[in-house]
Amino acid sequence: EVQLVESGGGLVQPGGSLRLSCAASGFTFSSYWMSWVRQAPGKGLEWVANIKYDGSAKYYVDSVKGRFTISRDNAKNSLYLEMDSLRAEDTAVYYCAKERYGVWVYWGQGTLVTVSS
Amino acid sequence: DIQMTQSPSTLSASVGDRITITCRASQTISSSLAWYQQRPGKAPKLLIYQASNLESGVPSRFSGSGSGTEFTLTISGLQPDDFATYYCQHYNVYPWTFGQGTEVEIK
Repeated sequence: EVQLVESGGGLVQPGGSLRLSCAASGFTFSSYWMSWVRQAPGKGLEWVANIKYDGSAKYYVDSVKGRFTISRDNAKNSLYLEMDSLRAEDTAVYYCAKERYGVWVYWGQGTLVTVSS
Repeated sequence: DIQMTQSPSTLSASVGDRITITCRASQTISSSLAWYQQRPGKAPKLLIYQASNLESGVPSRFSGSGSGTEFTLTISGLQPDDFATYYCQHYNVYPWTFGQGTEVEIK
């Protein structure tokens, strides 16, 4: 059974940093692209970033370029999102998701990031 | 960036109704379109991919159609479990974007 479990969310001040983690199990993690997708409270979905199965390619939405870094450790079956220079508009539930040619069948339960003073 | 526009934003319907949600792309995306269902407090669930392919395990009352810039999601015979928010998403080019969502509520 595929499982994706996010952790690392919490309350952070504007300008601060946070590192999200996603522990994957139930599939060959090193064979799949992985994504982060977020959802601000009461709002719609926004794709944030994705990373190729071997880590050799990464893509980001413009609003996080230069501030967020996606990475993975295939030996640990883990996906990460390093978030710097956080802004109030980054407040959201962040989901880790397993890609299949551009779509997501498997999602984690999400972790809430709140950026506020 | 490609903008995805869904209509309507809210749809009131009854159990058994047939409903249609439309998604328009600001430029052509071929058939690189997916539909998701999201219930409150839950992660989205993939319903349709490649515009018209039903995801495994999804009931056949859900169907998708379209290509280019105009797409539709149809639910034939609305069930109580179907009252939720629906999103379209393109994956033609980066950045991948979603529509703003359509909330299907009980009339």
